[in-house]
Amino acid sequence: KNQVEQSPQSLIILEGKNCTLQCNYTVSPFSNLRWYKQDTGRGPVSLTIMTFSENTKSNGRYTATLDADTKQSSLHITASQLSDSASYICVVSAGYTGNQFYFGTGTSLTVIP
Amino acid sequence: DTAVSQTPKYLVTQMGNDKSIKCEQNLGHDTMYWYKQDSKKFLKIMFSYNNKELIINETVPNRFSPKSPDKAHLNLHINSLELGDSAVYFCASNYAGELFFGEGSRLTVL
Repeated sequence: KNQVEQSPQSLIILEGKNCTLQCNYTVSPFSNLRWYKQDTGRGPVSLTIMTFSENTKSNGRYTATLDADTKQSSLHITASQLSDSASYICVVSAGYTGNQFYFGTGTSLTVIP
Repeated sequence: DTAVSQTPKYLVTQMGNDKSIKCEQNLGHDTMYWYKQDSKKFLKIMFSYNNKELIINETVPNRFSPKSPDKAHLNLHINSLELGDSAVYFCASNYAGELFFGEGSRLTVL
């Protein structure tokens, strides 16, 4: 069964601290994995995409990793800011066109001053 | 310019009423979707259209009827609203495997 699981469900950290969000998937055939950020009251926005051959990719203070063997991905946020408070959703694309999407349940991150 | 726009953003209505949510994308994408986000923030696919044709129709009550007059528009009509329909509904378009979401339409059924 194609599934995407994220942990933790919620996380509270102090401003300036680092954190890591996890995503485990059992989606096949794997096409790519994206992390989306959803601010409160807004739609999700793509942060980064990981393809099968990529191990790590950075986008500013966000660094995503992918281990295709263990089917795990992580999103590391460095030097967190109040504006990082949001839900982070892991979405795995399947199929040869990559147009079948499987969503994780998200991690709700709260950054406090 | 907003890439994927939905109206209305908020909708409060009584049980049994019929309502519509409209979606338009100016990105030129061929594929559009409707997702339902429940109180636990999980996004669940409802419908997918490719160039005005229905390609995904998940297990959704037939009170929900999507309509795509052209590939830039995908509207959602809901008949006989129920309490359980209360949620945030997101429209999205797809290009090269990236989903572009609208801002969401929060539906509250009283």
